[in-house]
Amino acid sequence: GAVVSQHPSWVICKSGTSVKIECRSLDFQATTMFWYRQFPKQSLMLMATSNEGSKATYEQGVEKDKFLINHASLTLSTLTVTSAHPEDSSFYICSASVRGATKQYFGPGTRLTVL
Amino acid sequence: GNSVTQMEGPVTLSEEAFLTINCTYTATGYPSLFWYVQYPGEGLQLLLKATKADDKGSNKGFEATYRKETTSFHLEKGSVQVSDSAVYFCALSPPGAGSYQLTFGKGTKLSVIP
Repeated sequence: GAVVSQHPSWVICKSGTSVKIECRSLDFQATTMFWYRQFPKQSLMLMATSNEGSKATYEQGVEKDKFLINHASLTLSTLTVTSAHPEDSSFYICSASVRGATKQYFGPGTRLTVL
Repeated sequence: GNSVTQMEGPVTLSEEAFLTINCTYTATGYPSLFWYVQYPGEGLQLLLKATKADDKGSNKGFEATYRKETTSFHLEKGSVQVSDSAVYFCALSPPGAGSYQLTFGKGTKLSVIP
């Protein structure tokens, strides 16, 4: 149980385009979802926390207008990288949690490459 | 602020060799400490954890002991298998936060060869 999927697993796009990444909890209802970014040879860095039906809370230094997060249902959150640039190329990982629990379940990640 | 430092990889070992992956942390108070493992193509999975000083977390033959005096949480396994090949992340969270508010290390890639 407690499986989280991400789609796509990898994506290549041109500079200036927008890319949407989906994060789904497959067998449980996720009241909270987290989005992380990992640059090569760096730590996972928390970008934002989203609660179902509410606006996401972004970490300091993360542009909320560039990284749009939507958590419209208890099983789906999306991260849209708007007007992507090469410096946005990274590994994006989501995780999901259930209300009242303190455990996170992680997705397999999405590799974004912006040309 | 909180930070986690773990040894750089990649680490390559022969099957049945002894494994140590070092992890040290900086945090106030008594954080909870975790090791996560990421197998190829899969999400991070909690491997083991410890919530107070001198606690030993263990799972699947892996062990790590919470050492407050040295602010360390080194991961060990006595005899690795090919199936242990993965990326290992050390992490911490503030007291009482469970696995919320995680601060991760950079990850250490382990490759075990037959």
